[in-house]
Amino acid sequence: DQQVKQNSPSLSVQEGRISILNCDYTNSMFDYFLWYKKYPAEGPTFLISISSIKDKNEDGRFTVFLNKSAKHLSLHIVPSQPGDSAVYFCATKIGAGSYQLTFGKGTKLSVIP
Amino acid sequence: KAGVTQTPRYLIKTRGQQVTLSCSPISGHRSVSWYQQTPGQGLQFLFEYFSETQRNKGNFPGRFSGRQFSNSRSEMNVSTLELGDSALYLCASRLAGVSYEQYFGPGTRLTVT
Repeated sequence: DQQVKQNSPSLSVQEGRISILNCDYTNSMFDYFLWYKKYPAEGPTFLISISSIKDKNEDGRFTVFLNKSAKHLSLHIVPSQPGDSAVYFCATKIGAGSYQLTFGKGTKLSVIP
Repeated sequence: KAGVTQTPRYLIKTRGQQVTLSCSPISGHRSVSWYQQTPGQGLQFLFEYFSETQRNKGNFPGRFSGRQFSNSRSEMNVSTLELGDSALYLCASRLAGVSYEQYFGPGTRLTVT
C-alpha cells in the first residue's frame, strides 16, 4: 500500500504561469518532507524540504506547503520555466534518527514555451 | 565540490550471475543510502550505511547486500540475478548529523537478460 501518493502522473503548464504539484500521505508520523526533481539519465536532485513543525518553506521560485490535517503537501513553482520540465518526486521520512526516504511515484511536469 | 559518483553507469548481466555496484559519496558525507528505481514500483529504499555499519534495510531479499568502507565509499552486491532486478540503482549521500537531505548520484542502469 502506497504511503506517499502523487495522483497526477503528468502536468502541463505554460511558461511564466504557476505549476502546482501535489502529494498526499497516509502516515501522520511522517515528520520531514522533501521534493526532488529528476531529468532523464540523471539522479534525483534535491529541491526543497519542510519539517512537520512548519506549514510553508520558500526558496526562490519554489515554495512548499504542508497541510498536516489533510496530510497533503504541495510544491509551487512560480514562474515556471521550460528548464523546469522534469519528473518531480515528493519524499518523506519517519522519526528522529531515521533517514530512510519513502518516495511517491512522481509527476512529470512539462512547461510549454 | 564533486557530486556523488557511481560506477559503472550501465551494466548488462545474465540471470543467475552476481553484480557489484560502486558509489563514492560527496566529500565529507558519511552516510550512504541505496535505492532501486523501477517503472512499476518507483524509488524504493534498499539500505543505509553510516560509519561502515548498516543502519537500516528495506524490504528486499537477502540477495541484496552492501557494505561501506572506512573512506565512506560503498558497494552493493546482488547475487543470483533475476530478470526483475533490472532497474536503475541509485546511491545517495548525506552529511552526518541532523541533515535529512540526501544527494543522489546518476545511477547504474542494470539490465538482466
